[in-house]
Amino acid sequence: DQQVKQNSPSLSVQEGRISILNCDYTNSMFDYFLWYKKYPAEGPTFLISISSIKDKNEDGRFTVFLNKSAKHLSLHIVPSQPGDSAVYFCAASAAGGTSYGKLTFGQGTILTVHP
Amino acid sequence: NAGVTQTPKFRVLKTGQSMTLLCAQDMNHEYMYWYRQDPGMGLRLIHYSVGEGTTAKGEVPDGYNVSRLKKQNFLLGLESAAPSQTSVYFCASSYNGPPSTQYFGPGTRLTVL
Repeated sequence: DQQVKQNSPSLSVQEGRISILNCDYTNSMFDYFLWYKKYPAEGPTFLISISSIKDKNEDGRFTVFLNKSAKHLSLHIVPSQPGDSAVYFCAASAAGGTSYGKLTFGQGTILTVHP
Repeated sequence: NAGVTQTPKFRVLKTGQSMTLLCAQDMNHEYMYWYRQDPGMGLRLIHYSVGEGTTAKGEVPDGYNVSRLKKQNFLLGLESAAPSQTSVYFCASSYNGPPSTQYFGPGTRLTVL
């Protein structure tokens, strides 16, 4: 039962263009969403997050959009840079229910930004 | 300030052998977690701890045991390793529970033959 899904295993983008990474979830108890970035041979690092009371959060080149009715969130990177090439994980947490106290991760999307 | 460290970085085991993975954090975090990462599966929570002396099961706890005798350390044990436990293991810690930011270690690559 994959409660957080990233249906695109990989994404290739040209430097300077926009990268859009998508994430869908099924658990209506999720109320906080995070994106983590992972380089090879390193652990994931936190990138940006959003609470369910918002529909957008922006931090520099990174913006996360949340559509609660569609149970969908997306991460926009503008402009994309070669250093953004990494695996991006979407994660969600819930204030209650069986998912309380835990982060549930998606499968990850490999982003490649070409110079 | 080393953050989260994991020992060892790599290990190869034979089926049936046992081993312990060590995670240490120097940020005085209450919460600690063990995840495994497998291709196409993302990160899956094995066990976690909400404070010294506590442990709880995550999503995929079978075949693993954990202990949190000291606040800064979280040990993951495999009593009888199986090929299905071949994976990359990540430890993480956070000041509070989710959605507090989790800080991850560099990972341990384990191969069970």
